[in-house]
Amino acid sequence: DVKVTQSSRYLVKRTGEKVFLECVQDMDHENMFWYRQDPGLGLRLIYFSYDVKMKEKGDIPEGYSVSREKKERFSLILESASTNQTSMYLCASPPGRLNTEAFFGQGTRLTVV
Amino acid sequence: GEDVEQSLFLSVREGDSSVINCTYTDSSSTYLYWYKQEPGAGLQLLTYIFSNMDMKQDQRLTVLLNKKDKHLSLRIADTQTGDSAIYFCAESKGTGKLIFGQGTTLQVKP
Repeated sequence: DVKVTQSSRYLVKRTGEKVFLECVQDMDHENMFWYRQDPGLGLRLIYFSYDVKMKEKGDIPEGYSVSREKKERFSLILESASTNQTSMYLCASPPGRLNTEAFFGQGTRLTVV
Repeated sequence: GEDVEQSLFLSVREGDSSVINCTYTDSSSTYLYWYKQEPGAGLQLLTYIFSNMDMKQDQRLTVLLNKKDKHLSLRIADTQTGDSAIYFCAESKGTGKLIFGQGTTLQVKP
């Protein structure tokens, strides 16, 4: 019954490394979103995509990029990881634009040292 | 701009009712949501309410929406230890993008 899968639960990377976080959904949804979660700040939108090869910036895109080459996969890229990118990253794929069902991945806890 | 605010912590005794409050600024929000996050897990949608409603009830959960004051609340009746989690309020204008509050940690004491 897996719907949204994030490739890693925990990652530890060094400052300056290029980091890829992968998200795969098996529901044939067009919409996919990347959020980061920090204590006391809730979830903040980094990037999103409404279709293959399409991407739009969210509220905090600086230091990140994304790739959507296939409908089922949405990758978040940290071009040069920094310690302030240590966070929990959550991928979401709602069935439409109303979010009346929630499909979130289990999250990737990234630590940059 | 868009902003959603929640208090950070609530502690209740098992069997009591919990009320988690949320305020938002964007009057054009179409849907408002409550999500639950248990330790080490992703987000689970608990319930949502459309902006033209003022109340929605689903078993132990009651959502109240005061659109005039831009205030949303989630009441959990007969709170159990399994309800201990972080609860997020979120709003959307129907674009798929969600604006989240900071999250309220609910602690349920036996």
